[in-house]
Amino acid sequence: QITLRESGPTLVKPTQTLTLTCTFSGFSLSTSGVGVGWIRQPPGKALEWLALIYWDDDKRYSPSLKSRLTITKDTSRRQVVLTMTNMDPVDTATYYCAHKPSGGINWFDPWGQGTPVTVSS
Amino acid sequence: QSALTQPASVSGSPGQSITISCTGTSSDVGSYNLVSWYQQHPGKAPKLMIYDVGQRPSGVSNRLSGSKSGNTASLTISGLQAEDEADYYCCSYAGNSTYVFGTGTKVTVL
Repeated sequence: QITLRESGPTLVKPTQTLTLTCTFSGFSLSTSGVGVGWIRQPPGKALEWLALIYWDDDKRYSPSLKSRLTITKDTSRRQVVLTMTNMDPVDTATYYCAHKPSGGINWFDPWGQGTPVTVSS
Repeated sequence: QSALTQPASVSGSPGQSITISCTGTSSDVGSYNLVSWYQQHPGKAPKLMIYDVGQRPSGVSNRLSGSKSGNTASLTISGLQAEDEADYYCCSYAGNSTYVFGTGTKVTVL
């Protein structure tokens, strides 16, 4: 059974850097083709794809947020970390991580429960 | 890379069929048969319901079906049930291993 769990601060101040951790089980990020993605959802709004890291450390970012995002992985600890710099109140959202299966697959399943982040001074 | 366009809301009575559209561009929906759909109940994480335009994961009701024409993908829910009331999001591969989600549709069962 694949599970993912997001963790990180619930409150950050404007201009600060947000660091979120996705801890997963049930799969390995050393398996060819596997990836972990991050998606966020502002309160009452739509999902937004942020970033994706693959088993081979290939990294992809949303073009609109690329300059602010960094995604890394620790395969042995089964963790993926997302950092977002220069946080702003518009970045207030629930942040999800999700498993991207191997095999040239282009969907995310399953997702973690999400972690809420509020940006406020 | 702009969000895919979905209707804000769609409603139907129990037993009816509804269709949710998802309109993108020739750079995403129009170029790839790689559209997925997610169902999200309030306060819950999204759940995969359709992948590769029209494929259903095991365990997902066959009342759900997906299709695509040009730059628009569609999700149809037939035999609408109370449990189908939720938000639905489409997602398309957008090239270069990037993805774009839709604006979301709230489905209401009358």
